[in-house]
Amino acid sequence: NAGVTQTPKFQVLKTGQSMTLQCAQDMNHEYMSWYRQDPGMGLRLIHYSVGAGITDQGEVPNGYNVSRSTTEDFPLRLLSAAPSQTSVYFCASRFETGELFFGEGSRLTVL
Amino acid sequence: GENVGLHLPTLSVQEGDNSIINCAYSNSASDYFIWYKQESGKGPQFIIDIRSNMDKRQGQRVTVLLNKTVKHLSLQIAATQPGDSAVYFCAEIGGAQKLVFGQGTRLTINP
Repeated sequence: NAGVTQTPKFQVLKTGQSMTLQCAQDMNHEYMSWYRQDPGMGLRLIHYSVGAGITDQGEVPNGYNVSRSTTEDFPLRLLSAAPSQTSVYFCASRFETGELFFGEGSRLTVL
Repeated sequence: GENVGLHLPTLSVQEGDNSIINCAYSNSASDYFIWYKQESGKGPQFIIDIRSNMDKRQGQRVTVLLNKTVKHLSLQIAATQPGDSAVYFCAEIGGAQKLVFGQGTRLTINP
């Protein structure tokens, strides 16, 4: 069982560059979400989706875009990377209710 | 608004003692709460959950207590072991099915 798979695990960007963090789940979950986690802090919700074709903003959406063209995939796009976006990013998924399954995280450094 | 926080950022206990980790939430409309454990370099892992129609739920060595009157959640770990060392997060599902996390408590086990 793959669960929630995130790629890449590590990435270094220069300020102004763009990139996409990939997230895929094979559990047929309707709900998917992206969180960022900064040192010593909890997880903050960036964007989430309750099903294919539906996305919505979380607590800290600025500077990020998402799309949900399929149930399985939920990519997170950084349009113009900034040092403030240096963080560890977690993708997660679940059924409509119940346990949220997390990926292993993607560590992003913006120089 | 939705806000989940923890009373203490760190907790140290002796191996074999019981641990109690506390959490306060502000959204009285939340009806589902989850405790997660996060080990260093890994994504959060589900420990136990509880719905708002319950006051207590027990798992293996863990118990979650919910006091809706004062909007308080706690996680009790019995006979704490070295493998319990981690950061523990409480989370609530509030409006629009968004899962909101607290800051986290780092649990350290003393030999």
